Amino acid sequence: ELKVEQNPLFLSMQEGKNYTIYCNYSTTSDRLYWYRQDPGKSLESLFVLLSNGAVKQEGRLMASLDTKARLSTLHITAAVHDLSATYFCAGGDRDDKIIFGKGTRLHILP
Amino acid sequence: GAGVSQSPSNKVTEKGKDVELRCDPISGHTALYWYRQRLGQGLEFLIYFQGNSAPDKSGLPSDRFSAERTGESVSTLTIQRTQQEDSAVYLCASSFSVGGGYTFGSGTRLTVV
Repeated sequence: ELKVEQNPLFLSMQEGKNYTIYCNYSTTSDRLYWYRQDPGKSLESLFVLLSNGAVKQEGRLMASLDTKARLSTLHITAAVHDLSATYFCAGGDRDDKIIFGKGTRLHILP
Repeated sequence: GAGVSQSPSNKVTEKGKDVELRCDPISGHTALYWYRQRLGQGLEFLIYFQGNSAPDKSGLPSDRFSAERTGESVSTLTIQRTQQEDSAVYLCASSFSVGGGYTFGSGTRLTVV
């Protein structure tokens, strides 16, 4: 059964700094998703990664996928306060379930 | 519709009552997922539909939970004899196909008192 682990689970950082959220998964997954959730809101799709070596960027966020290492990363460049949210990664298992990590609560200090 | 619509947005019910939660996916989306999110927690998979069939019901917490989907559109999640531990936000997501990007609804916040 696919298990998805994120770390860190909580991250407090200063504006302008760079940081990376890591997402490890336990078995083969052919797709990896990143979502953002603001407090009291639903989930917003950020990235869908479908192949080894895939890299996608949107503004200050960049996601990558290494299927051999079973690792995806979400890199934040020059963080701004508006990026404060909870970020989830999720993997698709062979039975087509989408399994989520516990989320990384990101707090960016002005 | 333009997005995934869930109703009601909030539901307060007494312990022991039955509740029905509704999800209207984006038109044409064949895959539909239900998740439960307890306060401050991640998403717990409940069930998914491909068309009208549910290949995997393993995430349903107990036999008090059931779900159905008709006409490859609306899905309902029913919780019978609600318990306080059922209190959570229930999220629905849909996709054009399994493996594609998923769009989430705003959720139904269920409170069992």
